[in-house]
Formats: sequence, C-alpha cells, structure tokens
Amino acid sequence: GAGVSQSPSNKVTEKGKDVELRCDPISGHTALYWYRQRLGQGLEFLIYFQGNSAPDKSGLPSDRFSAERTGESVSTLTIQRTQQEDSAVYLCASSLEQGKQFFGPGTRLTVL
Amino acid sequence: GDSVTQMEGPVTLSEEAFLTINCTYTATGYPSLFWYVQYPGEGLQLLLKATKADDKGSNKGFEATYRKETTSFHLEKGSVQVSDSAVYFCALSEGGGFQKLVFGTGTRLLVSP
Repeated sequence: GAGVSQSPSNKVTEKGKDVELRCDPISGHTALYWYRQRLGQGLEFLIYFQGNSAPDKSGLPSDRFSAERTGESVSTLTIQRTQQEDSAVYLCASSLEQGKQFFGPGTRLTVL
Repeated sequence: GDSVTQMEGPVTLSEEAFLTINCTYTATGYPSLFWYVQYPGEGLQLLLKATKADDKGSNKGFEATYRKETTSFHLEKGSVQVSDSAVYFCALSEGGGFQKLVFGTGTRLLVSP
C-alpha cells in the first residue's frame, strides 16, 4: 500500500517564477490537505478538498497561491510569481477519518 | 482563532527518563486533540488522539489526557527510548468531519543512551 507521495522532493527557483507542486494521495482517501512549514515554525494550513464539496481555501496566504484536485486523486499546488518568503516545506496529507491525516514527505521549496 | 501552544524544545533526556511535553490550546468550541510525530527522515504520522473531555489517548507507551478545565493535552511517557527521538506536534481540529488541523510549532525530543 503506497502512502502519500509528493513531487518534486526539492525545488529551487528564482524569485518571480511560477512553481507547481504535486501530491498523490492514498487511493480512496476522500480528503486532501495542503500545509506549509517554514523554518522553525509549525505547520500552517493552506487548503483542503473533501469529495465534491467546494474546497476550503481559507489558509491560502495570497492570490498567488492556488490548488486544484482531479476528482479524488492528484492535487497540484501552484505558486505564481514566487517570493523569498514562499520558501518552506510544502506538505500534503490525505484522510479517510477525522483527524487521522497521512502526510507525504513534503516538497522543499527554495526561492532565491 | 484557534491556536495551539507547545513548550519550546529541544527536550533532552537520558534513556528511561520520564517525558512530559506540554500542550495547551485555544478554541471556540469543543475540538478534537491530537499528537503527531515526525521521526528523522520520515513524514508526520498520528501518534494518538482524544475527541472529548477526559478522554485519554494512548499509543506506543505515550499518553495524553484531554483536560477541558485547563485546555491542555500534555504528552507523557514513563520511560523514553533512543528510538523516541523525534519532533512532536500537538494539534486540534474543530467541527467534526474532515476539518483542517491547527498545529503547534513542534517540540524536538532528543534521547541519549
């Protein structure tokens, strides 16, 4: 049974460029979440998808951030015009049970 | 808004010592409470949870009791092992269903032989 996978594992980009981060959740998990963790800080919620409901985008820090999910599978987090403060580890999680989220290994994003 | 506060780390202990990692929360309703753990080189994983006041979550020798009166969910273990070295995150979720988790900043535990 595969866990949550994320790609790429590391991404270095230049300020102002767009990036796409991918998450493959555990098959059958209806809920999918994106968090980010900046150095020395806790996990910060960004967005979550649950089935066919409208996504909860309340954690997205600016309109440069967006995310999509195809049905109950892959999700892509897009950051446009990246800034240095976007540097963080971006974590994806999926869930089939309240509170029990399965996390991927994360994508470490560095914006130069 | 909801928030979780954890003690600063790192916590450094010798093997077989008693562990307490403090966690307090602020929430508007009656949240469910969780401890997640991140072992070196691995992803976050759920360690234990409690969904209502006075519930005790337990797993792998770790315990935490949901204390509504003190809004706390302290993590304890009677005898730590080197393999317990990890970062521990306290978290809450409100509203039931698949709500987001609100995390504390994490506490690093280092256990020496």
